[in-house]
Amino acid sequence: KAGVTQTPRYLIKTRGQQVTLSCSPISGHRSVSWYQQTPGQGLQFLFEYFSETQRNKGNFPGRFSGRQFSNSRSEMNVSTLELGDSALYLCASSLVSSSYEQYFGPGTRLTVT
Amino acid sequence: TQLLEQSPQFLSIQEGENLTVYCNSSSVFSSLQWYRQEPGEGPVLLVTVVTGGEVKKLKRLTFQFGDARKDSSLHITAAQPGDTGLYLCAGAPTSGTYKYIFGTGTRLKVLA
Repeated sequence: KAGVTQTPRYLIKTRGQQVTLSCSPISGHRSVSWYQQTPGQGLQFLFEYFSETQRNKGNFPGRFSGRQFSNSRSEMNVSTLELGDSALYLCASSLVSSSYEQYFGPGTRLTVT
Repeated sequence: TQLLEQSPQFLSIQEGENLTVYCNSSSVFSSLQWYRQEPGEGPVLLVTVVTGGEVKKLKRLTFQFGDARKDSSLHITAAQPGDTGLYLCAGAPTSGTYKYIFGTGTRLKVLA
């Protein structure tokens, strides 16, 4: 069974631009969660989508948004990029929202210059 | 805000030594997970503990969930170079909108 895939793997953007990251969950998994990982703050939960609805949300500004499609694929968008948004963005999929097991993708490394 | 503090932050040991990593919080969690992350990859789930006092073993790794479900430990026996990586604990809050809160991480290096 194929794992969680994230595209692109690397991205360089300029401050003020916006970016869209994509995540394809494991086949059959309907829950997708997004995380931001930085050396200073560690791994922080952004939001979770299940059946195209946002189920849980972390403490991030409204510039960070996401959505999920009917095939469970998910995208996250960051608008008006700031230097501090440089991070590894990880998505994780699980069978259902209440499932304990989540499987992470390799992440998208975003650099904002 | 719920926090999960891990200690130590860094650990460098010789192959064959034993070690324990701690994950502590003042908050109660409904479940707690341990992950290992290697450079350039996403975290890989090692174990989930749900019941207070629960102990789980995975080969040379032993995981324990505190009786009050506020803390956890990971003990590695006879560490090997393949155990090198970033160890993360993650707790599922009993309330609020967060799905998981991750610990600050322990970076382990096992020298051959």
